[in-house]
Amino acid sequence: SAVISQKPSRDICQRGTSLTIQCQVDSQVTMMFWYRQQPGQSLTLIATANQGSEATYESGFVIDKFPISRPNLTFSTLTVSNMSPEDSSIYLCSGDSGGADTQYFGPGTRLTVL
Amino acid sequence: AQKVTQAQTEISVVEKEDVTLDCVYETRDTTYYLFWYKQPPSGELVFLIRRNSFDEQNEISGRYSWNFQKSTSSFNFTITASQVVDSAVYFCAPLDTGRRALTFGSGTRLQVQP
Repeated sequence: SAVISQKPSRDICQRGTSLTIQCQVDSQVTMMFWYRQQPGQSLTLIATANQGSEATYESGFVIDKFPISRPNLTFSTLTVSNMSPEDSSIYLCSGDSGGADTQYFGPGTRLTVL
Repeated sequence: AQKVTQAQTEISVVEKEDVTLDCVYETRDTTYYLFWYKQPPSGELVFLIRRNSFDEQNEISGRYSWNFQKSTSSFNFTITASQVVDSAVYFCAPLDTGRRALTFGSGTRLQVQP
């Protein structure tokens, strides 16, 4: 199983600023995913990140708001841009090694926007 | 697209009771994959089980067991002799094999009282 770490683990940010979340996997994974979990809610997929191509965004999420990078097979970043209090959530990344492989998740980044 | 229903929002049991968490899914795929994850209060998502649609054998892992019924599109999860450490939110999640992303149910919060 892959071990995934995220930085930062939590942050408190001011409205209008941006935060970049890093996701590091201890082994190469084909696909990486970014999810958002709003307070008391389930997880919603933001986008899928493949190395060497642009991320694929789900309905309701746009690249200008959530730019994603995937420079190699073990690392990805998600930026939450121009933040508002509605962006206060846990952001989780995950990865799998292809096919219908199991997705393993990072510990999440708890973001609070004031 | 996959859909999943976890009708039980919250369940409270006393330690050592058995408890079953329900999961009903919808899919148009003939081959599909189903997952269960646990999210304890600390927030990380812990993988519990992956099941593919062509394997209908029930699975047991210690105190955990899963009942997969294709005829009723259900993939229920039973904890035997529950313990306080089982207190968590449990998510059922079918895999969208096209996008290779998980579709999470709304989750069931399990509270095990001592």
